[in-house]
Amino acid sequence: DIQMTQSPSSLSASVGDRVTITCRASQAIYNYVAWFQQGPGKAPKSLIYAASNLQSGVPSRFSGSGSGTEFTLTISSLQPEDFAIYYCQQYKSHPLTFGGGTRVEIK
Amino acid sequence: EVQLVESGGGLVQPGKSLRLSCAASGFTFNDYAMHWVRQVPGKGLEWVAGMSWSGSLIAYADSVKGRFTISRDNAKNSLYLQMNSLRIEDTALYYCAKDPGLRLGTLFYMDVWGKGTTVTVSS
Repeated sequence: DIQMTQSPSSLSASVGDRVTITCRASQAIYNYVAWFQQGPGKAPKSLIYAASNLQSGVPSRFSGSGSGTEFTLTISSLQPEDFAIYYCQQYKSHPLTFGGGTRVEIK
Repeated sequence: EVQLVESGGGLVQPGKSLRLSCAASGFTFNDYAMHWVRQVPGKGLEWVAGMSWSGSLIAYADSVKGRFTISRDNAKNSLYLQMNSLRIEDTALYYCAKDPGLRLGTLFYMDVWGKGTTVTVSS
């Protein structure tokens, strides 16, 4: 199975900060990575697919990059509604696997 | 509007069975693969099972293989998860989710999620 390791597991940031979350795959997965945001008490929401493609309706302050084994999700200017937990997921092979999550908290 | 509504969760004893349902609307259900994903309260996401649009591809997480069965009824726009031999560690919020791949014979990611249904396994 492909393991997805996210870092950091949590971070504190202020509104307006630039935030970067990293996800590392245990083997090369091309660009078969998706990113999700989960607000408190909410279902996950799709943000990015194929490592760098923004899902329709997602603000442009979100961006993704990477290929192979290392991927990043960047929020260019953190907004109050962005405080949430973020997950990466690989879809190179079954079983599909998620990273452990990164909690973005208010500083 | 694309909508997924899960039902069928509840309290069940270890070793018993439960069947979850997911009613889909707002899209052509039989054109898309579907998934079940679960989340233990306060923990991360775990993919449980996925099924291609045609049913030709079915895949499971190792933790549920042999105990859970995913199925779909395209005429009823519904996805199911039959859960047998339930264990305490199966306690979680179970999400139904749509795959964005149109009539593709593989599984990708989840672009639309339901709100989930809670399964509690306890004696």
